[in-house]
Amino acid sequence: DQQVKQNSPSLSVQEGRISILNCDYTNSMFDYFLWYKKYPAEGPTFLISISSIKDKNEDGRFTVFLNKSAKHLSLHIVPSQPGDSAVYFCAAGYTGANSKLTFGKGITLSVRP
Amino acid sequence: EAGVTQSPTHLIKTRGQQATLRCSPISGHTSVYWYQQALGLGLQFLLWYDEGEERNRGNFPPRFSGRQFPNYSSELNVNALELEDSALYLCASSLQGRGDTQYFGPGTRLTVL
Repeated sequence: DQQVKQNSPSLSVQEGRISILNCDYTNSMFDYFLWYKKYPAEGPTFLISISSIKDKNEDGRFTVFLNKSAKHLSLHIVPSQPGDSAVYFCAAGYTGANSKLTFGKGITLSVRP
Repeated sequence: EAGVTQSPTHLIKTRGQQATLRCSPISGHTSVYWYQQALGLGLQFLLWYDEGEERNRGNFPPRFSGRQFPNYSSELNVNALELEDSALYLCASSLQGRGDTQYFGPGTRLTVL
């Protein structure tokens, strides 16, 4: 049972335009969500997170939106840059002792110059 | 400040052998997490150690085990290797109680022939 789903395996956008990466989840117990970026041969790098008590969190070019009723979150990158080309993972977890993160399969973003 | 380090970078084993993977967390972090990323799949949670004890375990057979040492470094052991164990194994660390902010190492690529 895949609790975190990234249904689009890839996305290609033009440099300077907006990239929108989507993520859906099924477990209503999740109370925090994270986005990680991963380059080949490197470990995932934390990008941005959001708590379930918020519906938006912004950090520079990166904004994450959370729609709890739809169990959907999205990562917006504006403006997109060629260096943003990577695999993006959505992850979700519980606060407290559990500490396990559940990841989606990832989306490969390609930003064309 | 040094990040999470993992060794070896690559490991090649044959079916039935045992593999040992090592991880050193960021200084000051007491929690260590292990994830498996098989080809085409997202990161799958394996194990969580904190203060030397196993705190949580993912849906993996008992062939996957590990431990955490007094200096908070960790080992992941995989016994009786099977072909499908071939994957990238990622280690992450966090401050105690901060599973919502995990920092990843570069991973160990295990190939089982």
